[in-house]
Amino acid sequence: KQEVTQIPAALSVPEGENLVLNCSFTDSAIYNLQWFRQDPGKGLTSLLLIQSSQREQTSGRLNASLDKSSGRSTLYIAASQPGDSATYLCAVSRGVGTYKYIFGTGTRLKVLA
Amino acid sequence: EAGVAQSPRYKIIEKRQSVAFWCNPISGHATLYWYQQILGQGPKLLIQFQNNGVVDDSQLPKDRFSAERLKGVDSTLKIQPAKLEDSAVYLCASSPNRDRASGYTFGSGTRLTVV
Repeated sequence: KQEVTQIPAALSVPEGENLVLNCSFTDSAIYNLQWFRQDPGKGLTSLLLIQSSQREQTSGRLNASLDKSSGRSTLYIAASQPGDSATYLCAVSRGVGTYKYIFGTGTRLKVLA
Repeated sequence: EAGVAQSPRYKIIEKRQSVAFWCNPISGHATLYWYQQILGQGPKLLIQFQNNGVVDDSQLPKDRFSAERLKGVDSTLKIQPAKLEDSAVYLCASSPNRDRASGYTFGSGTRLTVV
């Protein structure tokens, strides 16, 4: 049974810091992995999608890496801003060729001005 | 482009009552998902539709939960009777089709409190 763990559960950093969020999964037979952002009272916004054949994806100040063999993904946020404050969730596909996701419990990020 | 619409935003009911949630996906999106997110946890997939057919409902508690997507567009999720542990945010998501993640979009959710 696939299990997804995110560490740390919460993180508070001063503005401008670079930071890394971690995601680990127990079954390496995944189809893809997505990182989402969730703001309070709102739905999830897709940040980055990494297919199983890829090693990393970048969008602006965000960079996500994937190491299937070790069951790990990291989300790197450069030069953090107060607007980055949110909960970040990673999700892995439940099976080959699907986008049915198993989510981690998330990391609550607070960037202090 | 309009997003995924959900209603109501909030609902408070007593245990053993019934409740229904509605979702209108992005126009043209063939695949629709319902997720349950309990406070402090990540979302858990309940059911996936492809057009008006069910693709996966393996994690749907079928003794009390039901869902339908009759015309391949809007969808409703029903709970009858509700239990205290059903208190959660119910998220609807849609994507162009089940083999693509691009355009995977979530609605804002319905927050259900069962008292």
